[in-house]
Amino acid sequence: GAGVSQSPSNKVTEKGKDVELRCDPISGHTALYWYRQSLGQGLEFLIYFQGNSAPDKSGLPSDRFSAERTGGSVSTLTIQRTQQEDSAVYLCASSLGGFLGTDTQYFGPGTRLTVL
Amino acid sequence: QQQVKQSPQSLIVQKGGIPIINCAYENTAFDYFPWYQQFPGKGPALLIAIRPDVSEKKEGRFTISFNKSAKQFSLHIMDSQPGDSATYFCAAKSRSGYALNFGKGTSLLVTP
Repeated sequence: GAGVSQSPSNKVTEKGKDVELRCDPISGHTALYWYRQSLGQGLEFLIYFQGNSAPDKSGLPSDRFSAERTGGSVSTLTIQRTQQEDSAVYLCASSLGGFLGTDTQYFGPGTRLTVL
Repeated sequence: QQQVKQSPQSLIVQKGGIPIINCAYENTAFDYFPWYQQFPGKGPALLIAIRPDVSEKKEGRFTISFNKSAKQFSLHIMDSQPGDSATYFCAAKSRSGYALNFGKGTSLLVTP
């Protein structure tokens, strides 16, 4: 079956512009996560959705970052007034959801964002 | 702060060798420890995972060893192959948490 898909795969933007990154989770997965992967760093948690609500936004690095999820499916991560330090690979993951400790997270291929 | 510390940062072994990647954590609430494998241009994929009620788990050529008292766990790859060349991430999560806390990754190169 189809895995997690993300678009675009690459995005180059100028400093100060807004960008939108899209994630299509695996069908039937109620939980959705956004992570950021910077060069030489591990994956940094950004935000978690259960259905359409986001009970945990603790990882968003600043108020320039926001995310929404509609219809319990597609999610969009928006970065306003991009800065060069926002350059990274943004990864989306989905899982069946619930409060299962071993709920496996399946990752998409990521969007590589470059801010010039 | 980095909740999971991973070492080494990079590793080169010959085909057939047994690379070992180590991770350590401090948060005793962690109770799920997965390892992810990532190839260039791809997202991480779950390789193997362990709960703290067992000290070892083996799946094919991949083995996790877990030391609860030392708060350490490691990945061993038996009979490593060039196709195993990838970046490996350890992670940890608590039952009540949502986010995976990742180590910084280990870049493994298996030479022919």
